[in-house]
This record gives sequence, structure tokens and C-alpha cells, in this order.
Amino acid sequence: KNEVEQSPQNLTAQEGEFITINCSYSVGISALHWLQQHPGGGIVSLFMLSSGKKKHGRLIATINIQEKHSSLHITASHPRDSAVYICAVPGGGADGLTFGKGTHLIIQP
Amino acid sequence: DAGITQSPRHKVTETGTPVTLRCHQTENHRYMYWYRQDPGHGLRLIHYSYGVKDTDKGEVSDGYSVSRSKTEDFLLTLESATSSQTSVYFCAITRGGSTYEQYFGPGTRLTVT
Repeated sequence: KNEVEQSPQNLTAQEGEFITINCSYSVGISALHWLQQHPGGGIVSLFMLSSGKKKHGRLIATINIQEKHSSLHITASHPRDSAVYICAVPGGGADGLTFGKGTHLIIQP
Repeated sequence: DAGITQSPRHKVTETGTPVTLRCHQTENHRYMYWYRQDPGHGLRLIHYSYGVKDTDKGEVSDGYSVSRSKTEDFLLTLESATSSQTSVYFCAITRGGSTYEQYFGPGTRLTVT
């Protein structure tokens, strides 16, 4: 079973700061997913990547397949970025996902 | 909006009663999943389906059954609800396997008293 570890578990930062959330996994994968969940809200897919880097607005996701590690970066963070960010990899059967426990991010004005 | 709805959105039920949660999609995607989300555990896979009448167990399937008689509907049944099944339940769909994006439903908050 793939073990997924995220760090940090909780992160509080000031508006405008550069944010980094890390994810490591134990077994080689075909793709890694980054998800976002706002308080009381649903789950939204941010990125799915299998190599290199992807960028969407102020969000950047990178993956190093050899090191079994991915990072999610947020540039010029804003209070609306406050959410739980979840890393997930395949491995749950018929490619259901195995999830990290999430990083709870709070951006203060 | 990936065209996924879940019903009910909230439910309170008593221990020992049967409960059925419904996931409905309008995308005609082949793969559907049920996950539960609990503090300290994150999201975990309960059951999945890879086609009509094709289902299988996930990581935490004990106490749950599923059915898929139509492409668009995936039902999760708690045969006899227990307090340990108090959770938020999410349905997800994907066009293919892990190399395709997964789209999540809005969730069902279930409380078993």
C-alpha cells in the first residue's frame, strides 16, 4: 500500500507570503493529484501531474519521480487561499486514490 | 461543475437502521468511487465501480455494500448503521484510471446516533 505523508500538517502565514506544502509517497506512481477543500466545502482537483511542473495562476506543482516527492507552491498568498490542501496518489483499487491527511493552511490579512 | 450530485446532503439516523446514499453523475464516466472523510484519517476508499454491475471493495469496506445498475447512479448502503460510520461521504468519478482527473461530489454528512 502506498503511504502518503504531507508536511506541514498546519500552516499559518501572512498575506503575500510564498507557501510550500510537501508530499512524499512510498511506492512509484503514474500520477499524483493535488486537491483543495475549503472549510465545510467540497473537494476540488487542482493538479494532476506525472512529471515536471505545472502552473495554474498563482499555484505551482512540482514532482520528482525518482525522489517520490511533490511540492505545491502558492505565490503571493491571499486569505482566499485558506483551505485544506490534500495530496493523493493511485493505489486504492481500480485506481481509486490514497490520500495524505492534508495541510490546513490559514492566510492572515 | 462535473455534473455530480449526492443525496441526501445531510442525514441523521439511529444505530441499527439501514441507510442508502446516492451518487448521480451526468458525465457518463465509467469509474465511480465512494470515500469517507474522518478527522485524523483523511479520505479513505470504501468501494469503487468500473462499470454497470462491476464493483469491488476498497480499503474500508466492512459494513458497506454498493450497487450500480445504471451508468449514472452509484449507491452506497449501510446495512445496519453504527456510530463508527458517522462521517462525511464523498462520491467521485473519473473517465479512466489514475491518470485522469477525479471529480468529487459535494459530500453527504451522515450522523449515526
